[in-house]
Amino acid sequence: KAGVTQTPRYLIKTRGQQVTLSCSPISGHRSVSWYQQTPGQGLQFLFEYFSETQRNKGNFPGRFSGRQFSNSRSEMNVSTLELGDSALYLCASSLELAGIHEQFFGPGTRLTVL
Amino acid sequence: GNSVTQMEGPVTLSEEAFLTINCTYTATGYPSLFWYVQYPGEGLQLLLKATKADDKGSNKGFEATYRKETTSFHLEKGSVQVSDSAVYFCALSSRENDYKLSFGAGTTVTVRA
Repeated sequence: KAGVTQTPRYLIKTRGQQVTLSCSPISGHRSVSWYQQTPGQGLQFLFEYFSETQRNKGNFPGRFSGRQFSNSRSEMNVSTLELGDSALYLCASSLELAGIHEQFFGPGTRLTVL
Repeated sequence: GNSVTQMEGPVTLSEEAFLTINCTYTATGYPSLFWYVQYPGEGLQLLLKATKADDKGSNKGFEATYRKETTSFHLEKGSVQVSDSAVYFCALSSRENDYKLSFGAGTTVTVRA
C-alpha cells in the first residue's frame, strides 16, 4: 500500500507570494492533518480535514488555509508569504476506524521564503 | 491542555551503548502515547505506540512503557547502531483533544562508530 505522498518536495518563494501544497493520503484514509515544523517552534498542528470538512484548527493566522477533496486528497494554501513561514510542512493521514487514530506522515514539503 | 516534555539533546553515544530518552506528559483523559523518529531530510515515522496504562510498545529494538502513575513514556534501546542517528519525538493524542497530536521538542541522537 502506498504511503502518504506530498508534492512538491521543495519550494522556494519570495515574500508576498502565495503557495499551494498537496497531500495524497493512504488509500482508504479519510482524515488528513497538516503540521508545520520549524527549528524554533518545533511541530505545530495547523488543521485537520475529514470528509471534506475542516474538523480542527490550530493557532495560525488566516493566511493559512486548506481544503479536502472527495477523494480525500488535501491541499493547504499560504497567502502573502512571510519569511517566518519557511518550514517543513508535514501532512499526516489517519484511518479513523473503530477507535484507531494513528497518524501516518508523508515526507514533507520544504518551503523556503526569501 | 495536552503537553509533552522530553529530554533535551543533543545526545551523542558510541555504537552498542544504551540509549534512554525521557518523556513526560500532561493530558486530560486517557491519551495514547507515541514515539516518532525523523531521519535527516525525511518526514516522521511512527516508531512505537502504547494506548493504555502499562502497555509496552516495541519496535526495532526500541521499547517504551506507558506509566500512568509517573505520566511517563521513556524510550530505551539496549544497543544502538550508527543507523539509529535521528531526531526522536515523543507525542500524545487523546479523544478529549480531538486526537490532535501534541509533540515534544525532539531529541537529536548521534551514534558514533
